[in-house]
Amino acid sequence: DVKVTQSSRYLVKRTGEKVFLECVQDMDHENMFWYRQDPGLGLRLIYFSYDVKMKEKGDIPEGYSVSREKKERFSLILESASTNQTSMYLCASSLIITEAFFGQGTRLTVV
Amino acid sequence: AQSVAQPEDQVNVAEGNPLTVKCTYSVSGNPYLFWYVQYPNRGLQFLLKYITGDNLVKGSYGFEAEFNKSQTSFHLKKPSALVSDSALYFCAVRDTGGSYIPTFGRGTSLIVHP
Repeated sequence: DVKVTQSSRYLVKRTGEKVFLECVQDMDHENMFWYRQDPGLGLRLIYFSYDVKMKEKGDIPEGYSVSREKKERFSLILESASTNQTSMYLCASSLIITEAFFGQGTRLTVV
Repeated sequence: AQSVAQPEDQVNVAEGNPLTVKCTYSVSGNPYLFWYVQYPNRGLQFLLKYITGDNLVKGSYGFEAEFNKSQTSFHLKKPSALVSDSALYFCAVRDTGGSYIPTFGRGTSLIVHP
């Protein structure tokens, strides 16, 4: 079975903290994605990576950065967490033309 | 540019009745089309896809979708709804001549009443 694993299901952080969300896939996929999901807004792309050390900004990259040092791992970093970053974060991976496989999601609350 | 629209925020259907969740898309080239389902506090699960070939695509859990190029639609259907089908459904599109990044619709909440 294919698998995308996110390091935490639920996370509570304080305003101003640096937050790391980790995502690992075991399918040797080139593409990896970080999305943010908010009610009524659907999925919004934060960052995309198509290869190791390669990244592209998505629709809402402000306040976020990413790291992809190894093919299987794609990390999302909140440089200084703010309350408006409270959300559900979804990681996904895919081959070039196939469907995306999603992790179980991380529900982040910033207080 | 590519885009996808799910015109209904919510669809209500009685158990045992057929269901349809609508999706229309816009791409400059040819589309790859996908449907996903999301249960509460979970990630998205892949249901089915259209890449090429037969316009009627069958997927998981008895769902199917019909690709209609002239109407630029890819509606999700099931002949007989189950209460357990109640979930959030997302349509996604990728332009075959464009980037690797799929665009998702805003999602449609399907509620199946007993």
